[in-house]
Amino acid sequence: QSVLTQPPSASGTPGQRVTISCSGSSSNIGSNTVNWYQQLPGTAPKLLIYSNNQRPSGVPDRFSGSKSGTSASLAISGLQSEDEADYYCAAWDDSLNVLVFGGGTKLTVL
Amino acid sequence: EVQLVQSGAEVKKPGESLRISCKGSGYSFTSYWISWVRQMPGKGLEWMGRIDPSDSYTNYSPSFQGHVTISADKSISTAYLQWSSLKASDTAMYYCATADSSGVLDPWGQGTLVTVSS
Repeated sequence: QSVLTQPPSASGTPGQRVTISCSGSSSNIGSNTVNWYQQLPGTAPKLLIYSNNQRPSGVPDRFSGSKSGTSASLAISGLQSEDEADYYCAAWDDSLNVLVFGGGTKLTVL
Repeated sequence: EVQLVQSGAEVKKPGESLRISCKGSGYSFTSYWISWVRQMPGKGLEWMGRIDPSDSYTNYSPSFQGHVTISADKSISTAYLQWSSLKASDTAMYYCATADSSGVLDPWGQGTLVTVSS
């Protein structure tokens, strides 16, 4: 049972916009920034979004993040086949004093 | 280019000890924490703990405290994850990553697969 809650799966067709939610509590998302990671099949995770809505250099602007209260979302517009991957949200938890991850969302491009 | 290179895959028996490594390059090794993350087969990411290489201060997840040891040798820009007695349930991929004070993990190492089987 992960501290942050994500839907286990999401899907869309090429060109569509999909969103992935991440729900937490006042001790994690509610008081700290949220980061998102992309894990392509058979590879190490990669930072996709940091500080709620910032994209590292090289990440396409099709990817965007937002946060409101104790929830966060990752949006992917103009969906492409290469976006098929697992996506994880993460945030520091002040009560547990640990970094917590969501359970991950497997994105399928139909 | 900031890079973390991890040691190769390991196959061990239950009860054996193991130390895997993570070597940083392309940046000042003592400027960022190193975090370790476990991914069991077919499962999600779990944060294990972190070390500040400048003074070897560590911070463990309660789920892993007492079962693993995180250390670092700043003279060779290398962090370690160590077990004194492996269990079959330690079978997993282990990743290291540089981390800033807010917990942003970037970049990640390529991962070390640890298989524990009798």
